[in-house]
Amino acid sequence: GAGVSQSPSNKVTEKGKDVELRCDPISGHTALYWYRQSLGQGLEFLIYFQGNSAPDKSGLPSDRFSAERTGGSVSTLTIQRTQQEDSAVYLCASSSRAGQSEAFFGQGTRLTVV
Amino acid sequence: AQSVTQPDIHITVSEGASLELRCNYSYGATPYLFWYVQSPGQGLQLLLKYFSGDTLVQGIKGFEAEFKRSQSSFNLRKPSVHWSDAAEYFCAVGEGFQKLVFGTGTRLLVSP
Repeated sequence: GAGVSQSPSNKVTEKGKDVELRCDPISGHTALYWYRQSLGQGLEFLIYFQGNSAPDKSGLPSDRFSAERTGGSVSTLTIQRTQQEDSAVYLCASSSRAGQSEAFFGQGTRLTVV
Repeated sequence: AQSVTQPDIHITVSEGASLELRCNYSYGATPYLFWYVQSPGQGLQLLLKYFSGDTLVQGIKGFEAEFKRSQSSFNLRKPSVHWSDAAEYFCAVGEGFQKLVFGTGTRLLVSP
């Protein structure tokens, strides 16, 4: 596609439910990143994929958070047993290769846990 | 640990006036430095980056930034601000694009 696409754009969920957030990177981009943007914490790195493997998942805040990437393309970020503090905008970015290639960001998924 | 400080939460500038947004970083090695802009409801857009070489870097939309190692700073400048520049600006540091550490952002307001 022309840009990084994220879905849904907005998600409201009840506390304790599981949610899945999807990211479609720019076609051909091998590197993919997830960030979280919240009022109290600003922009935080969550995880980075090179192809289908995740060399760095150090930013995942707890074991309730997981992410996978299949076929070197689409990635899904899953949050289990959501808590109110998970409310944030989740941003995905991709680049043609990790390192010095510009990372292009999607518009994000706004998650609200009620 | 890497960190980025943007000391100004909000800045108001008159249209046509010059702009400087401050950014200080803490990093153990030669940093890669970035400035991103985020308009309301939009994702982040890269304005410019510094990897090495000339310490004054030019970016899109008429922005520039200067890397000053002695001051651990990477301030963003624009000689004449336009109303469309109103947005939130983020400074970031990293070893490359794969893991960026962002500042808390500076919201720019442009007055007529």
